[in-house]
Amino acid sequence: DTEVTQTPKHLVMGMTNKKSLKCEQHMGHRAMYWYKQKAKKPPELMFVYSYEKLSINESVPSRFSPECPNSSLLNLHLHALQPEDSALYLCASSQVRTSGSYEQYFGPGTRLTVT
Amino acid sequence: QKEVEQNSGPLSVPEGAIASLNCTYSDRGSQSFFWYRQYSGKSPELIMSIYSNGDKEDGRFTAQLNKASQYVSLLIRDSQPSDSATYLCAVTGGYQKVTFGTGTKLQVIP
Repeated sequence: DTEVTQTPKHLVMGMTNKKSLKCEQHMGHRAMYWYKQKAKKPPELMFVYSYEKLSINESVPSRFSPECPNSSLLNLHLHALQPEDSALYLCASSQVRTSGSYEQYFGPGTRLTVT
Repeated sequence: QKEVEQNSGPLSVPEGAIASLNCTYSDRGSQSFFWYRQYSGKSPELIMSIYSNGDKEDGRFTAQLNKASQYVSLLIRDSQPSDSATYLCAVTGGYQKVTFGTGTKLQVIP
């Protein structure tokens, strides 16, 4: 089973709202990722968790707050977003490798629109 | 300077032909290389991974890696209209950090 699930599929939020994106995998992977993808652009790495600890933060604004409650779950908490944050938010997971990385498997994404 | 470069295309090939997609990368210490396929509005789907120099074949797909030339390619044999998508090259240099190329749009003409 190589399935990563994400909820919700679509989200529309105002600039003053607080919302959360959720991601779940049951492949036993110990690395989980958040990416942001704008139209016609490649995915941009936001955060990486390894063994439930934040290992990479790509200088993401503090209005995005990640959380990894356990080895299967990954959340992205959103607060005071800007219209330019509208994008497809992708979650991925992989095994952990000491250098480089193993294959990442992506969820279907959450299409976020900030109004 | 871009870290992972791909020709944006579109690359148009007739059905049944071989499609050749290319990618170069700048970090000589890169260790993991991947090809993803992404249909419009969908998430990336892993096609191939390759970690050492040479060729790796999986069905109609062959990935080729040349670390000395910092070059990785994907060949798709017997191209089908369903192969029409954007193909993303992804490279890992440091720990767990994957960098994607801008993608090549492939169009397979029936």
